[in-house]
Amino acid sequence: SAVISQKPSRDICQRGTSLTIQCQVDSQVTMMFWYRQQPGQSLTLIATANQGSEATYESGFVIDKFPISRPNLTFSTLTVSNMSPEDSSIYLCSVSGPRGTEAFFGQGTRLTVV
Amino acid sequence: GIQVEQSPPDLILQEGANSTLRCNFSDSVNNLQWFHQNPWGQLINLFYIPSGTKQNGRLSATTVATERYSLLYISSSQTTDSGVYFCAVLYSGGGADGLTFGKGTHLIIQP
Repeated sequence: SAVISQKPSRDICQRGTSLTIQCQVDSQVTMMFWYRQQPGQSLTLIATANQGSEATYESGFVIDKFPISRPNLTFSTLTVSNMSPEDSSIYLCSVSGPRGTEAFFGQGTRLTVV
Repeated sequence: GIQVEQSPPDLILQEGANSTLRCNFSDSVNNLQWFHQNPWGQLINLFYIPSGTKQNGRLSATTVATERYSLLYISSSQTTDSGVYFCAVLYSGGGADGLTFGKGTHLIIQP
C-alpha cells in the first residue's frame, strides 16, 4: 500500500483566514480524494482531485470554499478558504488505484477555527 | 445516492468477549471496506471485501453482496480494539468515485 503524508497534522486558525493542506504519496496513484469528518461524525467525500484539471465536487461543496489542486500523480492540496468555526473538522486525503480498488487514507489534518 | 447503515451504533463489552458489527447497504457495490479509527483519528484498513469472507487474526469479515450486507467479527476483544469501526462502500452504478461511509459503530472494550 502507498505511504500517504499529510501536512500539517493539526492547526488552529483564525476565522476569515485560509489554510492549505498538502497530501504527498510515495508512489503514483490513479485516484486521489479529500474527505471531511466533522466532530463526532462520519466521513463525507468533498471531492475527487483530478490530475491537471478541475476537481469533481460532491453536493454541498464548492470550489470557491474548497479549492483543490492536483498537479501530478503523487501530490494534491486542499485549501479551506475564509474559515469559520463550522469548518473545524478533520480533513483526510485518500488514494486508490482504478475505481473500485482498495482505498487508503492519510493520517488526517485536525483543524480548529477560533 | 447509496445508503449505508451500521449497527449497533454503540457497543460496550468486557475484554475477551466476541462481537459482530453489521453493515447494510442499499444498492450494488464494487468496493466495500472496513476501517478502524483509532483515538488519534487515523483510519486503519481492516478489510477490502466487496464479496466473500476474509480473516486476519482475531478479526474476520463476510460480505453477502446479493443480500447487501457485510459483517465484521471481532473475537477475544482487547482494550486496544476500542474505537470507531466504519463500513464504506462504492456504488457500482456510477456517480462519485469516492467511498460512502456509514455512521460507524463506537466500540468500547472494558478491562
